[in-house]
Amino acid sequence: KAGVTQTPRYLIKTRGQQVTLSCSPISGHRSVSWYQQTPGQGLQFLFEYFSETQRNKGNFPGRFSGRQFSNSRSEMNVSTLELGDSALYLCASSLGGWLPTNEKLFFGSGTQLSVL
Amino acid sequence: AQSVTQPDIHITVSEGASLELRCNYSYGATPYLFWYVQSPGQGLQLLLKYFSGDTLVQGIKGFEAEFKRSQSSFNLRKPSVHWSDAAEYFCAVGSRQKVTFGTGTKLQVIP
Repeated sequence: KAGVTQTPRYLIKTRGQQVTLSCSPISGHRSVSWYQQTPGQGLQFLFEYFSETQRNKGNFPGRFSGRQFSNSRSEMNVSTLELGDSALYLCASSLGGWLPTNEKLFFGSGTQLSVL
Repeated sequence: AQSVTQPDIHITVSEGASLELRCNYSYGATPYLFWYVQSPGQGLQLLLKYFSGDTLVQGIKGFEAEFKRSQSSFNLRKPSVHWSDAAEYFCAVGSRQKVTFGTGTKLQVIP
């Protein structure tokens, strides 16, 4: 079974631009969550999608948004990029049961975003 | 609000030595607790998880963790470290809303 796939692997943008990251979950997984990872801050929860609906959201500004398609693939978008948005963005998928957060999360290798 | 504290940013151990990584959590109810490992350039992989029952949990790669409710701790242990264990380790607590990760402990293994 293929793992979680994130594209692109690396991305370089300049301030003010916008960016879209993609995540394909493991087949059969309906929950996709996104995390921002920076040195010293660890992993910060962005949001979680289940059946095309945002189910949970972290404490990030509205510039960070996401969506999920009917095939469970997910995208996240960051508009008006700032230098502080430079980070590794990780996507994780899980089956997405009634209590989603007691499930094992399967992570992709991430997208490394650099904002210049 | 739930939170996780990993007080050690870096730990260095000799190959073959024992290892203990500390994790303290804050959560109002019975927590779901996890340990994940991240190798350089990779995503995170689950080592073990605790939901209820036996407070000593066995995981993959020879790791174990002990849940101590009185101390709000979930420390990760391994009796004999291998060079391939060098990685970053994350403790996490799960609730109905989300999974919260600690800031991680980077493990260096010296020969």
